[in-house]
Amino acid sequence: EPEVTQTPSHQVTQMGQEVILRCVPISNHLYFYWYRQILGQKVEFLVSFYNNEISEKSEIFDDQFSVERPDGSNFTLKIRSTKLEDSAMYFCASSERSSGNTIYFGEGSWLTVV
Amino acid sequence: GQNIDQPTEMTATEGAIVQINCTYQTSGFNGLFWYQQHAGEAPTFLSYNVLDGLEEKGRFSSFLSRSKGYSYLLLKELQMKDSASYLCAVRAINQAGTALIFGKGTTLSVSS
Repeated sequence: EPEVTQTPSHQVTQMGQEVILRCVPISNHLYFYWYRQILGQKVEFLVSFYNNEISEKSEIFDDQFSVERPDGSNFTLKIRSTKLEDSAMYFCASSERSSGNTIYFGEGSWLTVV
Repeated sequence: GQNIDQPTEMTATEGAIVQINCTYQTSGFNGLFWYQQHAGEAPTFLSYNVLDGLEEKGRFSSFLSRSKGYSYLLLKELQMKDSASYLCAVRAINQAGTALIFGKGTTLSVSS
């Protein structure tokens, strides 16, 4: 069964450093997402991406964050200058189309900012 | 704005039936999803409702009433492996209409 893959599975970084989280969405999917989940809290929407541009973003997704689809398969989330409160599990997800389609999640990248 | 409410915790015994409720308030509505999440793992899709009524899928069923802003997930013949968090998520109608907004999840503990 096709799946969303993410790397790295776990990253530890120092406060102020830049981090790039990578994702390979399911190959025939057109919509890509990033979500995050702080330990013990709910899954929070960050951003959705379609047709090579951001289609919507939440209040969490400020100027510190950016997304990119550098080639035909990868989808990345960059955090420019990490803060302690960015420590969370970051989930990439994808769906075939917008409405009525299931969003499939990757296994997550656990980011620890120290 | 959007608001999704579900109980924080529930307990049940093996073989039993449990119903997890979810109420929501959204600016527009374009579908409700239920996901299962084991600790430290990704959410996995369980069910999707966009029209009123019951959707059945093996041991899992999900119900939706759009007029009441209400859904439930019904789990039958509970097994120990069903111990997990169950996330209610709503897709609201907005400019792009794609993102899911999640509730805080209901942690279900199944005991023998």
